[in-house]
Amino acid sequence: AQSVTQLDSHVSVSEGTPVLLRCNYSSSYSPSLFWYVQHPNKGLQLLLKYTSAATLVKGINGFEAEFKKSETSFHLTKPSAHMSDAAEYFCVVTSMDSSYKLIFGSGTRLLVRP
Amino acid sequence: DVKVTQSSRYLVKRTGEKVFLECVQDMDHENMFWYRQDPGLGLRLIYFSYDVKMKEKGDIPEGYSVSREKKERFSLILESASTNQTSMYLCASSSPGIAGVSWGNEQFFGPGTRLTVL
Repeated sequence: AQSVTQLDSHVSVSEGTPVLLRCNYSSSYSPSLFWYVQHPNKGLQLLLKYTSAATLVKGINGFEAEFKKSETSFHLTKPSAHMSDAAEYFCVVTSMDSSYKLIFGSGTRLLVRP
Repeated sequence: DVKVTQSSRYLVKRTGEKVFLECVQDMDHENMFWYRQDPGLGLRLIYFSYDVKMKEKGDIPEGYSVSREKKERFSLILESASTNQTSMYLCASSSPGIAGVSWGNEQFFGPGTRLTVL
């Protein structure tokens, strides 16, 4: 069965330092992968998506993610954290495994310290 | 600016009440979804619809029903609310995905309705 695992439920970084949010997936077929962000009391907003084109995907607000098939990973990174990045982040996978329904990870809450 | 709107941001109901949550999208999307979001569990799909009057159960449909009479509107109904339905409810919409497959495309989310059942 298809699944997605976010390896950290909470990540804390200092403003100006790099961000790494980890995501691993399982899929028997070529997957599409997404990262969404949710700010407090807001809906989910798409950060970036991978759909079998370039393996390094650039998103909004300076975020990027790299699809690594050999490691079944899709980690989200940003070179320098900003206070406004504090939010919850969801890794999402879909493929023929799930009849193309979106499968959400359990989320990683990012805290940015001044 | 594309939009998915939900009728209420916060709602408080009593056990046994019938509850309606409304969602409207202005993107002419075929697909619409209802999720519930609980801490540590991510988002879980309740129901989805791929066309007017068409609906399919998601992963946790028990205790819920839906209605889609118009393309832009998708309603979630709690027939008899219970305390374990206290949650954040998120509506989303999407266009059909690659190669005509209904799913697999990014979804656009509304702001959510936080429902408390007392």
